Amino acid sequence: NAGVTQTPKFRVLKTGQSMTLLCAQDMNHEYMYWYRQDPGMGLRLIHYSVGEGTTAKGEVPDGYNVSRLKKQNFLLGLESAAPSQTSVYFCASSSRGGNGYTFGSGTRLTVV
Amino acid sequence: GQQLNQSPQSMFIQEGEDVSMNCTSSSIFNTWLWYKQDPGEGPVLLIALYKAGELTSNGRLTAQFGITRKDSFLNISASIPSDVGIYFCAGQNYGGSQGNLIFGKGTKLSVKP
Repeated sequence: NAGVTQTPKFRVLKTGQSMTLLCAQDMNHEYMYWYRQDPGMGLRLIHYSVGEGTTAKGEVPDGYNVSRLKKQNFLLGLESAAPSQTSVYFCASSSRGGNGYTFGSGTRLTVV
Repeated sequence: GQQLNQSPQSMFIQEGEDVSMNCTSSSIFNTWLWYKQDPGEGPVLLIALYKAGELTSNGRLTAQFGITRKDSFLNISASIPSDVGIYFCAGQNYGGSQGNLIFGKGTKLSVKP
């Protein structure tokens, strides 16, 4: 049982490049989330999804887009990467019942 | 929006000491959770609390859901080197289409052997 899997684990981008981060969960969870973690800032919600085909903005959505075409996958896209998007990105999923989240192991992204 | 104040921000303790950290909010939550993040990994759920006043233990960890539903604390007894990491509190109100966790900014724990 893999839980939540994020790919890639590490990536270096040049300013202006685009990329997609993939999150996959095998727990049949309805909800999925993308967070970024920066030193001293804790975990900040970028976008989330409450079901297949639905997405919503979180606390810091600017510069990111997401898609949830399949229930088990949640994609995070950066159309034109900026150095301010250098961060560690975490995906998480949860069921409807309020039992907390299961997190992936993160993607460390550096934009130069 | 809802915010959580988690303290302390960091702790440097000697192996064997007890640790206490807490989280407060200006608004109430239905659920309080405590997570631990090891270096280079994602947060992992330690304890979940569902009722005001609830006291729950998980090994050397004990957490309580405050009676006002606006706070929670986590205690670690007899700390060991593998307790090193960042501890996050989180509050959750579920129901409808929401249910997002609100996270504290974390307490970074360092343990000196």
